Amino acid sequence: GNSVTQMEGPVTLSEEAFLTINCTYTATGYPSLFWYVQYPGEGLQLLLKATKADDKGSNKGFEATYRKETTSFHLEKGSVQVSDSAVYFCAGNDYKLSFGAGTTVTVRA
Amino acid sequence: DAGVTQSPTHLIKTRGQQVTLRCSPKSGHDTVSWYQQALGQGPQFIFQYYEEEERQRGNFPDRFSGHQFPNYSSELNVNALLLGDSALYLCASSQWASGSNNEQFFGPGTRLTVL
Repeated sequence: GNSVTQMEGPVTLSEEAFLTINCTYTATGYPSLFWYVQYPGEGLQLLLKATKADDKGSNKGFEATYRKETTSFHLEKGSVQVSDSAVYFCAGNDYKLSFGAGTTVTVRA
Repeated sequence: DAGVTQSPTHLIKTRGQQVTLRCSPKSGHDTVSWYQQALGQGPQFIFQYYEEEERQRGNFPDRFSGHQFPNYSSELNVNALLLGDSALYLCASSQWASGSNNEQFFGPGTRLTVL
């Protein structure tokens, strides 16, 4: 079956620092890939997605590119803010979502 | 347009009891998936319902069962509760016709505590 391996945290950054969270997937085919974010006390929200190789998803300054050759979907943001503090989940979709373990990101002012 | 709603928000049960959790999908969605999220972990897929039938199932015992109603809402039932069933239970809705590219929208979850 499909599986997702995600860089585990926690990650602590200063405001305006560069953020990258690594994610790789194992699948029999090429599933759609997603990044979800979970803010404290809230449910999961879709951050961005890519449905095929070389697609780049982007939202709120975050970006991730679907790399078929490395089976990766790393999340990046060039300048983080305190409001980006949350848990980030990478997921692959083959009709059901397979999630990574989550990465807790804390941004200090 | 209401998103995915779940009830109750919180629930406390004792070992051996049974529990029913409820979910109403986002308007226009016909598929409901359930996930279990233990503290500090990623969500784990339990099962998925479409056209009132279980279409896929994750690695969960038969104590976990579900149902989908004609209006697309869904219930998750857990029998003979164990301490290890304590978790956040998430419901997600989507459109079956979108296939594997579908975006799943999540509800706020039901926090189940088993004592």
